[in-house]
Amino acid sequence: GAVVSQHPSRVICKSGTSVKIECRSLDFQATTMFWYRQFPKQSLMLMATSNEGSKATYEQGVEKDKFLINHASLTLSTLTVTSAHPEDSSFYICSAPGTPDYNEQFFGPGTRLTVL
Amino acid sequence: GQNIDQPTEMTATEGAIVQINCTYQTSGFNGLFWYQQHAGEAPTFLSYNVLDGLEEKGRFSSFLSRSKGYSYLLLKELQMQDSASYLCAGMDSNYQLIWGAGTKLIIKP
Repeated sequence: GAVVSQHPSRVICKSGTSVKIECRSLDFQATTMFWYRQFPKQSLMLMATSNEGSKATYEQGVEKDKFLINHASLTLSTLTVTSAHPEDSSFYICSAPGTPDYNEQFFGPGTRLTVL
Repeated sequence: GQNIDQPTEMTATEGAIVQINCTYQTSGFNGLFWYQQHAGEAPTFLSYNVLDGLEEKGRFSSFLSRSKGYSYLLLKELQMQDSASYLCAGMDSNYQLIWGAGTKLIIKP
């Protein structure tokens, strides 16, 4: 099946710094990618939909100026957590639909962010 | 509103069969997904149903009834490594996934 990679897998940063997370589709093109956040023992929460060549669509309650998304190519989307704070510590996961009708989603391995 | 309901936790015995139920309400419907998620890892795709009926894939089967807004995941010949969270997700008319909170499945020897 299709492969989605994420980098880094883990990151620890100080409060106030910015962290960039990359999501790549390795063997297919993804005009759309999804960014999720998952807190411990909770389900995935969709943060935003990343669209290649256009602005991302953010879910209600997600600050677009804090979570910057760039989808510069058909295989790469980046999420930058700006001025990170401890409450931003979470598991961030990206996914991309592997088929045009979205009936299969391929997930990246996730990035564990810890903000001290 | 949109909602996915599934049990929080289930326990089963190695070698046995377990059925995890899921009820859904979505704005429009473009399919029902089941994912497996081990602790600290991203979800792994298990199944996709968009038509009524049972889809069998090895030890795992998934069932859908669109009229009832209901699905289940059936796991047979349970193995210890099947201990994980199982996430039910409905896809709405905008092709967005609405996620359930997940069912933690505990397998005992």
